[in-house]
Amino acid sequence: GENVEQHPSTLSVQEGDSAVIKCTYSDSASNYFPWYKQELGKGPQLIIDIRSNVGEKKDQRIAVTLNKTAKHFSLHITETQPEDSAVYFCAVSWGNYKLSFGAGTTVTVRA
Amino acid sequence: GAGVSQSPSNKVTEKGKDVELRCDPISGHTALYWYRQSLGQGLEFLIYFQGNSAPDKSGLPSDRFSAERTGGSVSTLTIQRTQQEDSAVYLCASRRQGDNSPLHFGNGTRLTVT
Repeated sequence: GENVEQHPSTLSVQEGDSAVIKCTYSDSASNYFPWYKQELGKGPQLIIDIRSNVGEKKDQRIAVTLNKTAKHFSLHITETQPEDSAVYFCAVSWGNYKLSFGAGTTVTVRA
Repeated sequence: GAGVSQSPSNKVTEKGKDVELRCDPISGHTALYWYRQSLGQGLEFLIYFQGNSAPDKSGLPSDRFSAERTGGSVSTLTIQRTQQEDSAVYLCASRRQGDNSPLHFGNGTRLTVT
């Protein structure tokens, strides 16, 4: 199966600073990499995804970068706000339908 | 539009009882997944449906767990003779098809076995 490692497990940042979460994977055939945000009491919500034919994708304060050669991808949140506090999960597709998730990063934005 | 809907949102049951958890996927989504999330943990894959068939049941923890899907839509996860270790949040997710289309989650059912 696909092994997905996510770091760090916890991240505390000052409001306005940037947050970066990194994931590595093992299957070089993987070609779809979504990121999810989970708030307390809710299901994970897709916030951004990237496919292997692009190296970077940006949506307002959120960006994802992909390095297929090194088999890692990262989530970047700029100008963090208190509402960015949540648990973030990376995921990697493999096989025809499988999606493996990282263990999650708890992000706390300090006011 | 409507997202993935799960019911009940919370369920408290006594050890040994059976429970049924329901998932209404997004209309037109042929692929449906069940995951389990224990407190503060990641997402544990349970089962995958493509249409009404389940080609991958590899994540079901024991034969007390079963799931079905009817009409290519609603799915039910059944846990028989519940144990305390079954306590977790059970998440359902759907996607348009089984490949690299976005996966959408419901808000889960929090199951507590006393």
